[in-house]
Amino acid sequence: EVQLVESGGGLVQPGGSLRLSCSASGFTFRSYSMNWVRQAPGKGLEWVSFISSSGATIQYLDSVEGRFTISRDTAKNSLFLQMDSLRDEDTAVYYCARQLREGSGSSAIFASWGQGTLVTVSS
Amino acid sequence: EIVMTQSPASLSGSPGERVTLSCRASQSVTDNLAWYQQKPGQAPSLLVYGASARATGIPARFSGSGSGTEFTLTISSLQSEDFAVYFCQQYNNWPLTFGPGTKVDIK
Repeated sequence: EVQLVESGGGLVQPGGSLRLSCSASGFTFRSYSMNWVRQAPGKGLEWVSFISSSGATIQYLDSVEGRFTISRDTAKNSLFLQMDSLRDEDTAVYYCARQLREGSGSSAIFASWGQGTLVTVSS
Repeated sequence: EIVMTQSPASLSGSPGERVTLSCRASQSVTDNLAWYQQKPGQAPSLLVYGASARATGIPARFSGSGSGTEFTLTISSLQSEDFAVYFCQQYNNWPLTFGPGTKVDIK
């Protein structure tokens, strides 16, 4: 069974940093591209970042480019999101999501989701 | 950026009723369109991808159609467990974008 467990969320002041982690199990982590998707309280879904299975290709939402860094550690079966210079509007539940099919070129269809970790940016 | 819109924003349905949800893209996404269901307090779950392919384990009462810029998700006979928010998502272009959602609740 595919399992994705996020951690690292919490309360942080504007301008601060947090590092989110997503621990993956139940599948061959190195074979799948991964994403972070967020949801502000009571709002819709917003894609944040993508990393290919090999780690060679990375994409970001414009509003987080230069502030957030996605990475993965195959040995630890883990996905990370380093978030710096946090803003009020970054407040959201952050989900990690696995794509449907294996391979770096697979379509960004979010087949498996974690339960999310809440990030609150407030003074 | 491709802007996704959904209509209606909400609808009330009765168990057994057929309902149709719409999703529109600001430019063609061919058939690179997925639908997700989200229940309160839960993560979203994949229903349909490729505009019309049901994900594993999804009941046949859910069907997707469309291509280009106009898409629909039809629930042929609403069940109690279907009351939720439904989001469409395009994966044709970066950035990936979602529609604002349609909330389906009980009449």
